[in-house]
Amino acid sequence: DAKTTQPNSMESNEEEPVHLPCNHSTISGTDYIHWYRQLPSQGPEYVIHGLTSNVNNRMASLAIAEDRKSSTLILHRATLRDAAVYYCILGDSNYQLIWGAGTKLIIKP
Amino acid sequence: EAGVAQSPRYKIIEKRQSVAFWCNPISGHATLYWYQQILGQGPKLLIQFQNNGVVDDSQLPKDRFSAERLKGVDSTLKIQPAKLEDSAVYLCASRAGTEYSGELFFGEGSRLTVL
Repeated sequence: DAKTTQPNSMESNEEEPVHLPCNHSTISGTDYIHWYRQLPSQGPEYVIHGLTSNVNNRMASLAIAEDRKSSTLILHRATLRDAAVYYCILGDSNYQLIWGAGTKLIIKP
Repeated sequence: EAGVAQSPRYKIIEKRQSVAFWCNPISGHATLYWYQQILGQGPKLLIQFQNNGVVDDSQLPKDRFSAERLKGVDSTLKIQPAKLEDSAVYLCASRAGTEYSGELFFGEGSRLTVL
């Protein structure tokens, strides 16, 4: 069973920031938080991951709540190419990832 | 750097027939995964290999699915006999090293339609 909860879909305007929420209230102390995205007809693509501290990379930022029961993926300036299904996934110490259904992000021009 | 290669991209078969999918991971990647993704759902892990050994195959329907990674490089996933509910995209992914690292690299997938 998926251990994360995400909205089914979200809409955002092009060139604006996007905040994608994820709840993971049953997270354990050693679980990492991963985000992947999947564009239509493609395999998933890694976005970012973190354990406790906020993380930044060239694609996005990951903000992790202090109690680690929720996190937010931040796309700083959405483009049409960011339209995809975004998956928030918990990974245990054996790197076992359990995927949910994700959030479908729709970008409006 | 070449990505994860999968073939065939598309396959249509009748139920009770057999099918095989091939995956060549990124060079040097020790860990290889096969996932099944049914339309509208997230990927579901079927089997995980570490080099040529199986780490986890708890969700592989072993009465009809089999997978091997004989030389610790490329891998084959076979379904025999296929059922209608096996219609899905079969994704192969690989990861470097044996320590915890952040990124799985996925292939484009093999789409199976069972009629």
